[in-house]
Amino acid sequence: DAGITQSPRHKVTETGTPVTLRCHQTENHRYMYWYRQDPGHGLRLIHYSYGVKDTDKGEVSDGYSVSRSKTEDFLLTLESATSSQTSVYFCAIKPGQEYEQYFGPGTRLTVT
Amino acid sequence: GIQVEQSPPDLILQEGANSTLRCNFSDSVNNLQWFHQNPWGQLINLFYIPSGTKQNGRLSATTVATERYSLLYISSSQTTDSGVYFCAAPDAGKSTFGDGTTLTVKP
Repeated sequence: DAGITQSPRHKVTETGTPVTLRCHQTENHRYMYWYRQDPGHGLRLIHYSYGVKDTDKGEVSDGYSVSRSKTEDFLLTLESATSSQTSVYFCAIKPGQEYEQYFGPGTRLTVT
Repeated sequence: GIQVEQSPPDLILQEGANSTLRCNFSDSVNNLQWFHQNPWGQLINLFYIPSGTKQNGRLSATTVATERYSLLYISSSQTTDSGVYFCAAPDAGKSTFGDGTTLTVKP
């Protein structure tokens, strides 16, 4: 257990509404990541963070923003949700650049 | 960035059979991870293997970094081995995932 929780675990929302997903870790790891997983695809990186207030874009960052104001929390925001953002969202942590990743349980988001 | 390809995309086995899953990557990497996603969606770390061979019970993994591939071996497969197997290669602090191999083990 890498001490990672995600909230909410399931969410249904309407197109155009803002949504924030939270990833919380208890072990002060430096690196945190947000991925999305869609049928037929592996995990695709949305954004990642390498420290408090240090974030960078992944390969599918359009329509998403992130914030990391403290080490333990990494927030993913959909400013105006679209149906194409229906997906399962996974958070991951990594102690350092050369260490392995560990994943949270995932959040299933449905945008209607 | 690094490209990661996995094969085969789907694999169906009878319980007790052995299998080999392959992961090819487009550039040299200094590490590689294998994950199992179970039918409930949980991602489980299997191996973290830059080179050489590691074993954990019925599973083992071999990475040949100079030839840019890694293999995951599953011996005496069980129905609980079903799910999707992913490999991931690090790339400047983040990881690129393959599309996975979906394994179905029939009783």
